[in-house]
Amino acid sequence: KAGVTQTPRYLIKTRGQQVTLSCSPISGHRSVSWYQQTPGQGLQFLFEYFSETQRNKGNFPGRFSGRQFSNSRSEMNVSTLELGDSALYLCASSRAGTGATDTQYFGPGTRLTVL
Amino acid sequence: AQSVTQLDSHVSVSEGTPVLLRCNYSSSYSPSLFWYVQHPNKGLQLLLKYTSAATLVKGINGFEAEFKKSETSFHLTKPSAHMSDAAEYFCVVSDPGTDKLIFGTGTRLQVFP
Repeated sequence: KAGVTQTPRYLIKTRGQQVTLSCSPISGHRSVSWYQQTPGQGLQFLFEYFSETQRNKGNFPGRFSGRQFSNSRSEMNVSTLELGDSALYLCASSRAGTGATDTQYFGPGTRLTVL
Repeated sequence: AQSVTQLDSHVSVSEGTPVLLRCNYSSSYSPSLFWYVQHPNKGLQLLLKYTSAATLVKGINGFEAEFKKSETSFHLTKPSAHMSDAAEYFCVVSDPGTDKLIFGTGTRLQVFP
């Protein structure tokens, strides 16, 4: 069974640009969550999508957005990039729930560098 | 609010010796707790999960953790470290209101030959 895949694996952008990251969940999984990992802030929850609807959201500015398609694939978009957006962005999928109700499986991440 | 505190940012052990990674939690509810491991340039892998069943939880690769409510702890142990255990380990609690995962700051485990 294929795991969670994320594309691209590495990305370099400049300040002010926008970026779109993609996540393909494990087949049969309907929930996709996104996390940002930085040395200073650690791992922080961005948002979760289930059946094409955003179900939970973390404390990030509106420049961070996402969506989920009918095949459960998800994209996240960051507009007007700032230097502080440099991070490893991790995607996780689960069958239906998150946290206690289900096991989340993580992808390898997309490393975004903003210059 | 739910939170976890990982008491050590770095732990170094020799191969073949026991591993102890410490985690304390804060939760208003009966928590769901997890340990995840992250190897360099890899995603996170679930080691084990506690959800109010047995207090001693066995995970993959010989790891286990014991839930101690009186001490609000969920320490991760392994009897004998292997070189391949060198990685970053995260203690995690699930927020019952939103069901999202809240991560600790991580413990980097080094294993010396």
